[in-house]
Amino acid sequence: QQQVKQSPQSLIVQKGGISIINCAYENTAFDYFPWYQQFPGKGPALLIAIRPDVSEKKEGRFTISFNKSAKQFSLHIMDSQPGDSATYFCAASISGGYQKVTFGTGTKLQVIP
Amino acid sequence: GAVVSQHPSRVICKSGTSVKIECRSLDFQATTMFWYRQFPKQSLMLMATSNEGSKATYEQGVEKDKFLINHASLTLSTLTVTSAHPEDSSFYICSARKRGGKNTDTQYFGPGTRLTVL
Repeated sequence: QQQVKQSPQSLIVQKGGISIINCAYENTAFDYFPWYQQFPGKGPALLIAIRPDVSEKKEGRFTISFNKSAKQFSLHIMDSQPGDSATYFCAASISGGYQKVTFGTGTKLQVIP
Repeated sequence: GAVVSQHPSRVICKSGTSVKIECRSLDFQATTMFWYRQFPKQSLMLMATSNEGSKATYEQGVEKDKFLINHASLTLSTLTVTSAHPEDSSFYICSARKRGGKNTDTQYFGPGTRLTVL
């Protein structure tokens, strides 16, 4: 119930293309869904986050789409750039208190020129 | 804002010694700090949750006597790996959750500490 499934494990996209990473969860109590970007040898950095009261959130080239009924959410990176090459983790948690975050397994994105 | 630092960034030690890793929230007070371990090409594995002034809560399978966590203030948590062995070699990452204000659900991560035990 605490698991967050993420796919694909790896992704190769041409520069300028759209990168799409998908996540699914089981626990309906989750109400906060962040995405993190991690470069090799560095800690994860918050990219964008969404709550279930909206179906989409956009920040620059990054968009989260959220489907509450299907318990799925996805990250879309528009106009992908070589600098976007990193590992991306979706996550889910329950608001408030000291609730821990459940991470997906990660997607290694490579954007080729 | 929301910067978390870790020190040291890399440490190499001999088997049997203890290593302390510091995690600081530089521009905010942290309600809770978390310690993660990450193996190569894998996701983050939560080791323990640390609240200021109280004992840490360890995840199942994590030895509390081996991984000592102290959360002395709202801006500092330390992880001490006691009697380190080569299998403890890993990337250790801390994160902090803000106390009060907006975005209290967001975890802000430190840059990580690479521990190598010879």
